[in-house]
Amino acid sequence: AQSVSQHNHHVILSEAASLELGCNYSYGGTVNLFWYVQYPGQHLQLLLKYFSGDPLVKGIKGFEAEFIKSKFSFNLRKPSVQWSDTAEYFCAVNAQRGNNRLAFGKGNQVVVIP
Amino acid sequence: NAGVTQTPKFRILKIGQSMTLQCTQDMNHNYMYWYRQDPGMGLKLIYYSVGAGITDKGEVPNGYNVSRSTTEDFPLRLELAAPSQTSVYFCATKEDGSPNTEAFFGQGTRLTVV
Repeated sequence: AQSVSQHNHHVILSEAASLELGCNYSYGGTVNLFWYVQYPGQHLQLLLKYFSGDPLVKGIKGFEAEFIKSKFSFNLRKPSVQWSDTAEYFCAVNAQRGNNRLAFGKGNQVVVIP
Repeated sequence: NAGVTQTPKFRILKIGQSMTLQCTQDMNHNYMYWYRQDPGMGLKLIYYSVGAGITDKGEVPNGYNVSRSTTEDFPLRLELAAPSQTSVYFCATKEDGSPNTEAFFGQGTRLTVV
């Protein structure tokens, strides 16, 4: 079964700072990769996803993620964060074959200070 | 469209009480899931269903039951609530079993067992 690791559970940064959240997965086969965001008091929403093709994926709100197959990684980045980016961010992996289950990482709680 | 609707939003239970968390969707999605979210632990899959009349266990099914009598509804039942079931519960749906399809989440039910 696939598993997902996210490090640095709590991240605090100032507005305009750059953000990078790491995501590593363990699975030997081909995977689909997702980043979900959960704003305070809201449900999870899809931020971006990777299935195939260009490993650099652009998402909503200026976020992007890069799939590096050799490193089993799918790190999320934003060059300049805003206060409204305060949220919890989850990386998720779905194997392309086998069970149809999303495996989630433990999440990154990001707080942006105005 | 309402999407995925969960009720109630909040609930406090006493140890040993029972309750049902409701999840209903109007997207005609076949796949439905129940997750629990604990701080710093990410989302863990409790049960899932690939269609009406079919349910299966996820990672953490103990203490829970589900049913899927219709496409729209996927209630989660706690028969004897325990403090370990204090968590935020999310219902999610997917259109089909393809790993490429996006999961849509409800707004969550925050349950406290005292």
